[in-house]
Amino acid sequence: DSGVTQTPKHLITATGQRVTLRCSPRSGDLSVYWYQQSLDQGLQFLIQYYNGEERAKGNILERFSAQQFPDLHSELNLSSLELGDSALYFCASSTRGNSNTEAFFGQGTRLTVV
Amino acid sequence: SQELEQSPQSLIVQEGKNLTINCTSSKTLYGLYWYKQKYGEGLIFLMMLQKGGEEKSHEKITAKLDEKKQQSSLHITASQPSHAGIYLCGADINTGNQFYFGTGTSLTVIP
Repeated sequence: DSGVTQTPKHLITATGQRVTLRCSPRSGDLSVYWYQQSLDQGLQFLIQYYNGEERAKGNILERFSAQQFPDLHSELNLSSLELGDSALYFCASSTRGNSNTEAFFGQGTRLTVV
Repeated sequence: SQELEQSPQSLIVQEGKNLTINCTSSKTLYGLYWYKQKYGEGLIFLMMLQKGGEEKSHEKITAKLDEKKQQSSLHITASQPSHAGIYLCGADINTGNQFYFGTGTSLTVIP
């Protein structure tokens, strides 16, 4: 158990819909990272938050957004969903903000868009 | 384009055999990480290398970062079925905040 909790574990939704994925980092970790893993793209970095503020942005679509709350949990919002958004979405947390030093990953949320 | 290339893409070995997985970048790596993922599950951190020439071992797994800090190898000695999974390298490149993952290597160990 990495200490990082992601909910829900599975999500099935229709195209055009909006979903929210939730991540609770390890106790004491200030950084949260979101990744998308799909069969054709591999593991892609989406976005990082550190202590409530956006720190780095990767290949995140404009239809996607994220935020980190005062209690440090984070949510990834995916809107206007397309079939191609079906993927495993991972959240990771670490203590530092400028490096992915020993990031610990959650079990992921498997999103299926039908 | 892929910042980190891994080879091979997949590997099937007999139990007890040794194997090596490579991770290559065209740019200097600032912190190279190896993870293992069981199919459809989260990533498990294996080890991190930062210095050129650094080598670390954990049980039967050894990882090295070359002197130029552009290539890393992961070596498994006397593989076991429990080693099966997807091995991913990850790295900070260009000292930026973005973290890149390799393409992954799928390892199957046949008993």
